[in-house]
Amino acid sequence: GAGVSQTPSNKVTEKGKYVELRCDPISGHTALYWYRQSLGQGPEFLIYFQGTGAADDSGLPNDRFFAVRPEGSVSTLKIQRTERGDSAVYLCASSLVPNTEAFFGQGTRLTVV
Amino acid sequence: AQSVTQLDSHVSVSEGTPVLLRCNYSSSYSPSLFWYVQHPNKGLQLLLKYTSAATLVKGINGFEAEFKKSETSFHLTKPSAHMSDAAEYFCVVSDIQGAQKLVFGQGTRLTINP
Repeated sequence: GAGVSQTPSNKVTEKGKYVELRCDPISGHTALYWYRQSLGQGPEFLIYFQGTGAADDSGLPNDRFFAVRPEGSVSTLKIQRTERGDSAVYLCASSLVPNTEAFFGQGTRLTVV
Repeated sequence: AQSVTQLDSHVSVSEGTPVLLRCNYSSSYSPSLFWYVQHPNKGLQLLLKYTSAATLVKGINGFEAEFKKSETSFHLTKPSAHMSDAAEYFCVVSDIQGAQKLVFGQGTRLTINP
């Protein structure tokens, strides 16, 4: 596709449930990033992939959060036992190689009720 | 550790007047600095970036920013505001050893009055 695609655009889930958020990066981009944007705040870094491996996962808030990128393209952010505090917009970005411009998707708005 | 402070949460200007969005940063390394814009229901878009070349950086849509190391500032300016400039603007810092980990400010909401 022309840009970074994130699905779903909106997700409402009940507290305690498991959710998966999907990111399709720009074709050929080797680097992929996940960020989280809470209401009224700037995005915060979660995790960065170079190829299939997580090069830096220091931003994941706890072990309920996990992300994979098994074939070096599509990535899935997984959240177990969701809490109301997980409600936010989850942004994905990709870049051709590290240290080059990152292109952001429109995000997935997650609401935990 | 790096950090960014955007000095104004909200700026309101009249159409056709200058825009100034202020940003101060803290970084242990020679930083890379960026400004991103976020329009409602759209993805973040890169306006401009500084990566240790010229200190005056020109971006898209007539925006520019000046890197001032002595003041640790990277303010965003535009000579004449347009209605389409209304959006949320983020100042972002990244350390040169790990440019993939962007540290965002809290954002400045720019309102343009007709």
